[in-house]
Amino acid sequence: RKEVEQDPGPFNVPEGATVAFNCTYSNSASQSFFWYRQDCRKEPKLLMSVYSSGNEDGRFTAQLNRASQYISLLIRDSKLSDSATYLCVVNAGAGSYQLTFGKGTKLSVIP
Amino acid sequence: EAGVVQSPRYKIIEKKQPVAFWCNPISGHNTLYWYLQNLGQGPELLIRYENEEAVDDSQLPKDRFSAERLKGVDSTLKIQPAELGDSAVYLCASSSSYNEQFFGPGTRLTVL
Repeated sequence: RKEVEQDPGPFNVPEGATVAFNCTYSNSASQSFFWYRQDCRKEPKLLMSVYSSGNEDGRFTAQLNRASQYISLLIRDSKLSDSATYLCVVNAGAGSYQLTFGKGTKLSVIP
Repeated sequence: EAGVVQSPRYKIIEKKQPVAFWCNPISGHNTLYWYLQNLGQGPELLIRYENEEAVDDSQLPKDRFSAERLKGVDSTLKIQPAELGDSAVYLCASSSSYNEQFFGPGTRLTVL
C-alpha cells in the first residue's frame, strides 16, 4: 500500500461547481497534514494545513479523519484559476520534518 | 522576501555526463531539502539537511548522486554519471519549521 494515495483524476468541473478530493495515508504516526497546490510546470505551494477539527479558508475546506486515516479537500464555487494539481501531504510523525507527498489530483475548471 | 533560488532552470545532457544543480534557500531557513519529481508523481525526498548536516539521505542513490551544504546555506546536488532514468525535475525546498516547506522553481533535467 502506498503511503499517501489520491485519485489522480482528472476532475473536469464547470465554473461555480463544488468539487471534493480525498486522500488516504498509511502511517498512523503522522501528525501534520497539508494540501499543496502545484500549477503546471511550477513548484508546489502550500494551500492549507489540515487540522483535526477541520478548517476553512475562503472557498476551501479541509477535513481530517484520524480513525480512518483520511483527508479531504472541498472547493466551493470553483474558479478557472483553481485549475491545478492538488497534492495531499503528510508528515512522518510528531515534530517530523519529513513529508510524504501523494501523486496529486488534477483539477480542470472549465468555462 | 526572496524565495528559494535554483539554477539552472533547464539542463540537457548526454548520458554518462556529470551534472550539478545549485540551490540557495530562504534566508534564515536551517532546513534544506532536495526532491526529485517525475511526471505525474509527487515530489520524492532525496536528502534533507539541518544546517550543514545531512540528517536524512536514505533515498539518495549514493552510487551516482552526491550533495553538499558546506556552510549551511546554499547547496549543490550532483549526478555523475547521469543515466536516462534521471530525467526529471529536481526541486529544492527550505523550511524554518515542520509546518511549511517553500519550494524553488526546480531544475528540469533531460538526459539524452
